Amino acid sequence: EDQLVESGGGLVKPGGSLRVSCAASGFIFSTAWMSWVRQAPGKGLEWVGRIKSKTEGMTQDYATPVKGRFTISRDDSKNMVYLQMNSLKTEDTAVYFCTTEGSYGGVFWSWGQGTLVTVSS
Amino acid sequence: ELTQPSSVSVSPGQTASITCSGEKVGQRYICWYQQKPGQSPVLVIYQDSKRPSGIPERFSGSSSGNTATLTISGTQAMDEADYYCQAWDSTTMFGGGTRLTVL
Repeated sequence: EDQLVESGGGLVKPGGSLRVSCAASGFIFSTAWMSWVRQAPGKGLEWVGRIKSKTEGMTQDYATPVKGRFTISRDDSKNMVYLQMNSLKTEDTAVYFCTTEGSYGGVFWSWGQGTLVTVSS
Repeated sequence: ELTQPSSVSVSPGQTASITCSGEKVGQRYICWYQQKPGQSPVLVIYQDSKRPSGIPERFSGSSSGNTATLTISGTQAMDEADYYCQAWDSTTMFGGGTRLTVL
């Protein structure tokens, strides 16, 4: 069974940085596309970005609101995916979910429990 | 952009239909996710009409023209949740979500 466990959330000041992590197990991580999806308090789901597998060049795609500020990376030797968030804004406050899209994208098969990131002075 | 009704109400045992509309809906596959309060989303429909393993048969999906529909037949109290549609082409987008209330 797929398992995704996020960590690293917390309180950060506007303009600050934070890295959240996701530990994956129960599936072949190296061939999986991994995405981050966020949900602001009381709001809907918003896709943040994805990283494809090594065979797809580890290509990354990002949503417009975070492009240039957020970076997704992966370590296949550790079955880990990371979201580095820089120049954080109050509107980035949300629960950040790690998800897996399988080997070809477009479907979020499994989700982690989420980690809360709060951007506030 | 994907547009969903903000809320839908249904009586137990009846059929609930939740729509997802957008100009490009008919050109790409739609997924549906269920999210109960305080929980992570769960995939209930993918590629317009396919059910993942473990999802009850009362959940079905369809797509025609610019509208996709999630149908829950014989709705149960446990189906009360927020439902989101999602599509992917050059980017990934979610609908705004629909709160399903089972009265």
